[in-house]
Amino acid sequence: KAGVTQTPRYLIKTRGQQVTLSCSPISGHRSVSWYQQTPGQGLQFLFEYFSETQRNKGNFPGRFSGRQFSNSRSEMNVSTLELGDSALYLCASSLGWGTSGANVLTFGAGSRLTVL
Amino acid sequence: AQSVTQLGSHVSVSEGALVLLRCNYSSSVPPYLFWYVQYPNQGLQLLLKYTTGATLVKGINGFEAEFKKSETSFHLTKPSAHMSDAAEYFCAVYSGGSNYKLTFGKGTLLTVNP
Repeated sequence: KAGVTQTPRYLIKTRGQQVTLSCSPISGHRSVSWYQQTPGQGLQFLFEYFSETQRNKGNFPGRFSGRQFSNSRSEMNVSTLELGDSALYLCASSLGWGTSGANVLTFGAGSRLTVL
Repeated sequence: AQSVTQLGSHVSVSEGALVLLRCNYSSSVPPYLFWYVQYPNQGLQLLLKYTTGATLVKGINGFEAEFKKSETSFHLTKPSAHMSDAAEYFCAVYSGGSNYKLTFGKGTLLTVNP
């Protein structure tokens, strides 16, 4: 069973540019979550999607956006990049939250973004 | 609101020694608790989880954790450390409801010395 696939794994951008990151969840998983990981702030929640609907969004500026497609694949976009956006962006997928007990997130390897 | 505090950003042990990584949580409702491990240049891998029932939870690679409601703790232990255990460990909490997110601690970097 294939895991969560994130592309690209590494990318370098300059300030002011925009970037799109992609996430393919485990087959059958309908929930996709995104987290930003930095040495200073740790793991911070960006957003969660289920059946193409964003159900929750973390405390990030509007430059951070995402979407989910009908096949559950998800993308996140960061516009007008700033130096502070340099981070590891992790995607996680799951069957869903709550109805059958605690959710378990399966994470991808991440996309490491460097902003120069 | 839910939050997690991991005591000690860096723990160093000798190979064969006991591993103890501390996690305290705050949750307004009975929580679901998780430990994840992250190896260099990789994503997070689930070690174990507590939902309901037995308070002592066994996970992969010989790790276990005990949920103590009175102490709001969920410490991770392993009787004998192995070099391959060197990694960063994250405790996380989910309080249910409609927030649809895990809240993570800041992480504890475990170093295993030969």
